[in-house]
Amino acid sequence: QSVLTQPPSASGTSGQRVTMSCSGSSSNVGFNGVNWYQQVPGTAPKLLMYNDNQRPSGVPDRFSGSKSGTSASLGISGLQFEDEADYYCSTWDDSVNGPVFGGGTRLTVL
Amino acid sequence: EVQLLEAGGDLLQPGGSLRLSCAASGFTFSNFAMTWVRQAPGKGLEWVSSISGRGENTYYAESVKGRFTISRDNSENRLYLQMDSLTLDDTATYYCAKDQVFAAVQENWGQGTLVTVSS
Repeated sequence: QSVLTQPPSASGTSGQRVTMSCSGSSSNVGFNGVNWYQQVPGTAPKLLMYNDNQRPSGVPDRFSGSKSGTSASLGISGLQFEDEADYYCSTWDDSVNGPVFGGGTRLTVL
Repeated sequence: EVQLLEAGGDLLQPGGSLRLSCAASGFTFSNFAMTWVRQAPGKGLEWVSSISGRGENTYYAESVKGRFTISRDNSENRLYLQMDSLTLDDTATYYCAKDQVFAAVQENWGQGTLVTVSS
């Protein structure tokens, strides 16, 4: 049972826009910046977004992040087959005194 | 280029001990906090432990507190995770990561090392 709640799956067709959600509480998402990690199966996670909507160098602007209250979202526009991966949200949790992760959303590109 | 290379994963029995290491290069190691994150087979990511750049501050997940010890050798650019009293639930791939923000943002990850606890 993850502290942050993510839908287990999402899908979209090539070129489409897809969004995925991450729901938390006032002790985590509501008060701290949210990060997103992309993990292609069999490989290590990669930082995709930090502090709600900041992209690390090299991450294309097709990826966007937003947050409202205790929920955050990751958007991917112009969906590409290479975007097929698991996406995890995370943030600092003041109750845990450490970072917490969502259970992950597996994105399928049809 | 930041490189993180974990080593030490193994197959061992419940109650056993193991020390993981992570060799870091491509950045000034002592300037950055480091974190261990694990992933059980087919499961999501779970934070394990973090340590500040000089090693004076350490944090642990409740699930490993009292059993795992994080440490670092800044002269050797190495991060360690000493794991004692291992249980079946500790079976996972263990990743070391370089923090952008202490324990809160993991900006670079190693390829992981597999720890299997089985009777």
